Amino acid sequence: QVQLVQSGAEVKKPGASVKVSCKASGYTFTTYAMHWVRQAPGQGLEWMGWINVGKGNTKHSQKFQGRVTITTDTSASTAYMELSSLRSQDTAIYYCAREGRDPIVGATHYFDYWGQGTLVTVSS
Amino acid sequence: EIVMTQSPATLSVSPGERATLSCRASQTISSNLAWYQQKPGQAPRLLIYGASTRATGIPARFSGSGSGTEFTLTISSLQSEDFAVYYCQQYNTWPLFGPGTKVDIK
Repeated sequence: QVQLVQSGAEVKKPGASVKVSCKASGYTFTTYAMHWVRQAPGQGLEWMGWINVGKGNTKHSQKFQGRVTITTDTSASTAYMELSSLRSQDTAIYYCAREGRDPIVGATHYFDYWGQGTLVTVSS
Repeated sequence: EIVMTQSPATLSVSPGERATLSCRASQTISSNLAWYQQKPGQAPRLLIYGASTRATGIPARFSGSGSGTEFTLTISSLQSEDFAVYYCQQYNTWPLFGPGTKVDIK
């Protein structure tokens, strides 16, 4: 069965960087894109960015341009999201989410499997 | 830029009743809409994609409809496990979520 297992909670100081990992299993890692979504405490869901795992190209939300880096290690079936220049407003749960595939349309940008989430706390 | 809205913000429903949740896009998104359920302390779960196709393992009491700019998620007979927050998400362009509707017990 498909599983996405993320790394553990992090506490960082303002200005630091954080790198969250997402290990995939139960499917061929390179055949599905991966997204990152975050959720601030008590708030809604916010899309951060995407990586085409097979080709390596990425796209980020304009809001995170210049601060977020999404990569993969295909040999380890693991995706990574690194966020730099952290501020208190970046305190949130960060999720990786596999891109869904519509049987008719093909690759899309909805999310059929999610990691369990990683809490990142930014505090001085 | 697309804006997604959901109504109501909170919906109070008794178990066994029908719940109707609305999602609106500020411009047409065809049928490129998904619905998710999120319970406290859990990751979101995909319910519906393509506006009306149930995801694998989703009970038939969940149904989605609409196209263009107006969409609806209907839960035909609410079970205790359905009390949660529901998000719509457009994927006609890069992903964007609505603000969510909380379904709580009346």
